[in-house]
Amino acid sequence: EVQLVESGGGLVQPGGSLRLSCAASGFTFSDHHMDWVRQAPGKGLEWVGRSKDKSRRYSTEYVASVKDRFFISRGDSDNSLYLQMNSLKTEDTAVYYCARVSSSSGSDRLDYWGQGALVTVSS
Amino acid sequence: AIQMTQSPSSLSASVGDRVIITCRASQGIRNDLGWYQQKPGKAPKLLIYGASSLQSGVPSRFGGSGSGTDFTLTISGLQPEDFGTYYCLQDGAYPLTFGGGTKVEIK
Repeated sequence: EVQLVESGGGLVQPGGSLRLSCAASGFTFSDHHMDWVRQAPGKGLEWVGRSKDKSRRYSTEYVASVKDRFFISRGDSDNSLYLQMNSLKTEDTAVYYCARVSSSSGSDRLDYWGQGALVTVSS
Repeated sequence: AIQMTQSPSSLSASVGDRVIITCRASQGIRNDLGWYQQKPGKAPKLLIYGASSLQSGVPSRFGGSGSGTDFTLTISGLQPEDFGTYYCLQDGAYPLTFGGGTKVEIK
């Protein structure tokens, strides 16, 4: 059974840093792209970034609003995905989800999601 | 970034109704579009990928169509458990972008 479990959320002051983790199980972690998606309170979904699969050397992509502040990495030995968030702003307050990406017939899809981790940026 | 314009932003329909939600991309994305359902306090759930392929385990009353810039999610025979907010997501180009969402209420 595929499972994704986020951890590391909490309250942080503006300008601070936080690292989220996503523990993955039930599938071959290195074979899949992995995404982070966030949702501000009462708002819609926003794609944050991607760690591509091992064949693509775990290269990353980001939305412009977090580029050079957020960094996605992986720990293959422990099947974990990480989101290092630096220089946090109040507008980064959101529930952060990790999601597995599956690909077939040229189509990508976010087919499994974690339960989410709440990050609150406030003084 | 590709903008996804979703409509309507909300709707109220009766059990058994046919519901249609649309998404328009600001530029062509072939069929690189998915539909997701989210219930309050829960993670999104994949319904449709590749514009028209039904995700395993999703009821067949959900259907997707479209290509290029215009896409549609159809719920044929709305059920009480279909309440929630529906989002389209384009995965044809980085950054991926979601539509603004459609909140579906059961009358």
